[in-house]
Amino acid sequence: DARVTQTPRHKVTEMGQEVTMRCQPILGHNTVFWYRQTMMQGLELLAYFRNRAPLDDSGMPKDRFSAEMPDATLATLKIQPSEPRDSAVYFCASGLVTGGGSHGYTFGSGTRLTVV
Amino acid sequence: QQPVQSPQAVILREGEDAVINCSSSKALYSVHWYRQKHGEAPIFLMILLKGGEQKGHDKISASFNEKKQQSSLYLTASQLSYSGTYFCGTEILRGKLIFGQGTELSVKP
Repeated sequence: DARVTQTPRHKVTEMGQEVTMRCQPILGHNTVFWYRQTMMQGLELLAYFRNRAPLDDSGMPKDRFSAEMPDATLATLKIQPSEPRDSAVYFCASGLVTGGGSHGYTFGSGTRLTVV
Repeated sequence: QQPVQSPQAVILREGEDAVINCSSSKALYSVHWYRQKHGEAPIFLMILLKGGEQKGHDKISASFNEKKQQSSLYLTASQLSYSGTYFCGTEILRGKLIFGQGTELSVKP
């Protein structure tokens, strides 16, 4: 089965450090998402891309978060500097969106980030 | 913008039925349903498009009332494997999916 690959699976870092999370979407999927999951906020949409172009990053704290898709096989989410409140599970998801509509999205296994 | 799910949690005995509701204040292109087990990623269950269709997946089905911007997920004759958190995702712009807070479902023997 095709799957979305995220690295690392777990990351513990100190406050103030830079964190980079990576995602390899499913080949052929044209839309890539970054979601953050916490107990309090649930699944929040941070940003998403269509054909590598950013469509919406309004869910991200702009001063410290950045999301990019340098090529079709790689999406990255960076936090600099990291803060304890960034501790969460970060999911990447990919899917195919056409003129006829969206299809089901596939999630990666997530990166569990702990900022101490 | 975030859809509202109800109930927040439900406990069932094996074989019982449940309904999870999802309501949006925005016009929708579609509604997605996902299930997430503890410590795992959400898994896609089904998508409901505009047109009030109803879909089924084993003993799990769903409906979408476009006029009311509401969707319901029906779980019949629940099994232990149905336990998890169910999320509805509302497509408010083409491709943009916003999730509700989730409904935690526990099925007991």
